[in-house]
Amino acid sequence: ETGVTQTPRHLVMGMTNKKSLKCEQHLGHNAMYWYKQSAKKPLELMFVYNFKEQTENNSVPSRFSPECPNSSHLFLHLHTLQPEDSALYLCASSQGQGLTGTEAFFGQGTRLTVV
Amino acid sequence: GESVGLHLPTLSVQEGDNSIINCAYSNSASDYFIWYKQESGKGPQFIIDIRSNMDKRQGQRVTVLLNKTVKHLSLQIAATQPGDSAVYFCAENRGNTGKLIFGQGTTLQVKP
Repeated sequence: ETGVTQTPRHLVMGMTNKKSLKCEQHLGHNAMYWYKQSAKKPLELMFVYNFKEQTENNSVPSRFSPECPNSSHLFLHLHTLQPEDSALYLCASSQGQGLTGTEAFFGQGTRLTVV
Repeated sequence: GESVGLHLPTLSVQEGDNSIINCAYSNSASDYFIWYKQESGKGPQFIIDIRSNMDKRQGQRVTVLLNKTVKHLSLQIAATQPGDSAVYFCAENRGNTGKLIFGQGTTLQVKP
């Protein structure tokens, strides 16, 4: 148990559906992240939030829409996804962005399949 | 460009042997490095970290070595156990960017 909880663990959605991924951290951290993990690829950073403010959007398509209502919760809203978006989506948190020597704690991930 | 690479996608070792997993990074401005372990169906789990002002750090059964001259990082696991079987990722944290850049991962297989 890392203190970062993601729901759902598995999600299958059609290309016309709208769904949301949820992440919650109980560590008192100020920074939260979304990563995408595809087969045979390194983890790709998608979004970074620091004190609820988005500080990084790593050229992510607009069909992915993040939301961070407070420092403990992070959402990823999904709509009109493509089959190539199928992947493991990982949420992480850290004490603070930009602090050297700040490890990130990861959730278990949501396995997303787009059909 | 940005890249953190591992030399081998798969490493197979005998139980009880020592394992060495290697990683090369490209950005000399990186100042903090982390090794993560990811077991099947789980998110990456922190193993050990090292700052750029150090060249060696030891944990329980694990040692990380950093060679800044050649931009190389390694993870040594002593007396490898079946529970060590997982994918291992190195990651670099570039100071004020807050970005954690991951390598491709090395799958460690431990043979009984």
